Amino acid sequence: DSGVTQTPKHLITATGQRVTLRCSPRSGDLSVYWYQQSLDQGLQFLIQYYNGEERAKGNILERFSAQQFPDLHSELNLSSLELGDSALYFCASSAGFGYGYTFGSGTRLTVV
Amino acid sequence: EDKVVQSPLSLVVHEGDTVTLNCSYEVTNFRSLLWYKQEKKAPTFLFMLTSSGIEKKSGRLSSILDKKELFSILNITATQTGDSAVYLCAVVYGGSQGNLIFGKGTKLSVKP
Repeated sequence: DSGVTQTPKHLITATGQRVTLRCSPRSGDLSVYWYQQSLDQGLQFLIQYYNGEERAKGNILERFSAQQFPDLHSELNLSSLELGDSALYFCASSAGFGYGYTFGSGTRLTVV
Repeated sequence: EDKVVQSPLSLVVHEGDTVTLNCSYEVTNFRSLLWYKQEKKAPTFLFMLTSSGIEKKSGRLSSILDKKELFSILNITATQTGDSAVYLCAVVYGGSQGNLIFGKGTKLSVKP
């Protein structure tokens, strides 16, 4: 157990729907990162939060949004889902610069 | 554009062989370089490198960073079938909390 908890582990949903992925960082880590991993794309950075504030944005679609709550857990919201959104979504947390990044076990999203 | 490039993309070796995986990067305000091993699920942390020329070692794995030439290598000696995985290189760069960008990975297959 890495200490980073992601739920759910698997999610199957239909096109056009909206889902919420949840991440609880390791105790004490203030930074949360979201990544999308599809078969041929590698790990694509989506967005980063630090202590409740958005700090960096990567290749995140406008249909996707995220937030980090006061208890530091984070949610990634994916809406108007398309078949191409099917992927593994990872959350990672870090205590900050100079520290390692610990990954959760991921949420496998399948859009049918 | 900030990027991390890994080579080779895929590698097949026999048990006992030694392999060298490459990672080159072009980023603004480099902070550190990380190596991860990814099997079925989440990437697991191997090394963090911040200083040039200092080898990090863990058992049969070792890694070194060259900040002048902007690359790192990951060596695995006496490979075993359990080393079969995708090895990911990631670079922390940029602002106060840092951004994390991944290469596409090297898929290593070790045959008995």
